[in-house]
Amino acid sequence: GEDVEQSLFLSVREGDSSVINCTYTDSSSTYLYWYKQEPGAGLQLLTYIFSNMDMKQDQRLTVLLNKKDKHLSLRIADTQTGDSAIYFCAPSGAGGTSYGKLTFGQGTILTVHP
Amino acid sequence: DGGITQSPKYLFRKEGQNVTLSCEQNLNHDAMYWYRQDPGQGLRLIYYSQIVNDFQKGDIAEGYSVSREKKESFPLTVTSAQKNPTAFYLCASSPSAGRNTEAFFGQGTRLTVV
Repeated sequence: GEDVEQSLFLSVREGDSSVINCTYTDSSSTYLYWYKQEPGAGLQLLTYIFSNMDMKQDQRLTVLLNKKDKHLSLRIADTQTGDSAIYFCAPSGAGGTSYGKLTFGQGTILTVHP
Repeated sequence: DGGITQSPKYLFRKEGQNVTLSCEQNLNHDAMYWYRQDPGQGLRLIYYSQIVNDFQKGDIAEGYSVSREKKESFPLTVTSAQKNPTAFYLCASSPSAGRNTEAFFGQGTRLTVV
């Protein structure tokens, strides 16, 4: 099955950039998602990248994909206190027993200090 | 409004009792999922269903059961066989179990064994 690794904690100052990293094992993942979870709530989709792209920008969010190294990152520019949350990387299974399943990393807890 | 609803938000159970968590969606999605969230462990897949009357075990299905008698509903029963049921449970749905598996999440149910 898919293994997904993220670092557990990231702390930044308000206004700085945040970079959250993710590595995965299933090279056949076709869509790679980033979700945000606020305290006591469900997950919300932030952005995603298709596997044939290496970069996607969406306002303050930039997703970089290195398919050779199976490395995905999410950069948040001008980080605000409202960005404090848990961020999950989720490569989607492309076939076989992973078909239709979303596998999540452990999540990175982002703390933004004023 | 379309969405996915979990109930109740908080649930308390005595040891040795079964308890059922509700998940309903009106998004006309084919696929539904149950995840368990523990601190520092991310989301782990319990069961998923790609179509009505069919479901598959996820990574941690022991001590849980599900049914999918209607497209809109995917209830999860936590049985007395589940040794450590205290956790945050998240239900999700996606349009299909196909290539684009963006998931929509409910707000979660926090289960506590007392």
